[in-house]
Amino acid sequence: QKEVEQNSGPLSVPEGAIASLNCTYSDRGSQSFFWYRQYSGKSPELIMSIYSNGDKEDGRFTAQLNKASQYVSLLIRDSQPSDSATYLCAVNAQGGSEKLVFGKGTKLTVNP
Amino acid sequence: EAGVVQSPRYKIIEKKQPVAFWCNPISGHNTLYWYLQNLGQGPELLIRYENEEAVDDSQLPKDRFSAERLKGVDSTLKIQPAELGDSAVYLCASSYTGYEQYFGPGTRLTVT
Repeated sequence: QKEVEQNSGPLSVPEGAIASLNCTYSDRGSQSFFWYRQYSGKSPELIMSIYSNGDKEDGRFTAQLNKASQYVSLLIRDSQPSDSATYLCAVNAQGGSEKLVFGKGTKLTVNP
Repeated sequence: EAGVVQSPRYKIIEKKQPVAFWCNPISGHNTLYWYLQNLGQGPELLIRYENEEAVDDSQLPKDRFSAERLKGVDSTLKIQPAELGDSAVYLCASSYTGYEQYFGPGTRLTVT
């Protein structure tokens, strides 16, 4: 059973701080990794994808991947109250159009 | 570009009644997914279509759930008869590359 683990939180950070969200996965053959943001009562929104070891930056978001450690993280710089949401880590084990396996999500609260 | 469209957005039915959900994917997206999301959990795949072919329905409870994707575009997911435990959000997603998946707004089903 392929598993994706996330701290459920809640994670609380002050406005302007860096929020760090972590995710581990069990399938060493995993190839594609995604972060989704889900506001309360809304559907998941894709915010980052990463396929290679290292860092990928997009605006205030940085995804980090370490396949050897089976670890993927999301950093949010200069956190804003509007970043308050649940962040879902998703892993595509087969690297193609196979199903995504999601973690349960980490709830982030950014305090003004 | 229009996003994934789902209807209805909300549905309340009594147990043992049938219910159907409709999804229109992003134009040009050949892969379509139906997910189920329970409160506090990540989405779980029910079925995946490549064009009109269901290529992964291993998680679909086939005794009561059915799905179709005629002509490889729109899709319908049906439950008959519904049970109390089916109360959840049903999400449709689509993908062009087979990697990045984009979700619709979902249908919130309440079975009483």
